[in-house]
Amino acid sequence: DVKVTQSSRYLVKRTGEKVFLECVQDMDHENMFWYRQDPGLGLRLIYFSYDVKMKEKGDIPEGYSVSREKKERFSLILESASTNQTSMYLCASSPRTSDGTGELFFGEGSRLTVL
Amino acid sequence: AQKVTQAQTEISVVEKEDVTLDCVYETRDTTYYLFWYKQPPSGELVFLIRRNSFDEQNEISGRYSWNFQKSTSSFNFTITASQVVDSAVYFCALTGFQKLVFGTGTRLLVSP
Repeated sequence: DVKVTQSSRYLVKRTGEKVFLECVQDMDHENMFWYRQDPGLGLRLIYFSYDVKMKEKGDIPEGYSVSREKKERFSLILESASTNQTSMYLCASSPRTSDGTGELFFGEGSRLTVL
Repeated sequence: AQKVTQAQTEISVVEKEDVTLDCVYETRDTTYYLFWYKQPPSGELVFLIRRNSFDEQNEISGRYSWNFQKSTSSFNFTITASQVVDSAVYFCALTGFQKLVFGTGTRLLVSP
């Protein structure tokens, strides 16, 4: 059963803490993505990666960074968490395709609360 | 810039009713893909369909059907004879190269 696994379903952190959200996929996909989901705003792309050690900014990268040291793992980092980063974070992966897009496979999400 | 609009925030129906979820998109690309995803209460988004911009044929899969109209930039999703298990948030998405732009989602509540 192919999967995208996010390390934590629920996290509670304090303002100013450094937060790591881990995502692992077992499908050998080249592309990986981090989205955040907020009510009324849908899913917004934070960062994505087309390959190991590569990263691209999405629509809302401010306050976040990412790391992709291995093909199967894509980490989202909040250097200094703030209350406006309280959200549901969704990781996804997809295969690289010749036509430029493929189906995204999502993890179950990590709900982060910053106090 | 690409944009997806799902104007219906929430829809409530009674079981066995038919329901249509609207999706309107904007893009300057001539080649693009449209998607629908379902997000049940468990949280994980589930892929439902991908449609190429050159293929305007409607598609039916069981109780689900999709109507793609390039002339109106719409890709609407109809559930026939809805069931309680259809209760979820449904997202329409449009692709740019190698990534997806999502709409804000439509929450569907199907009551018994």
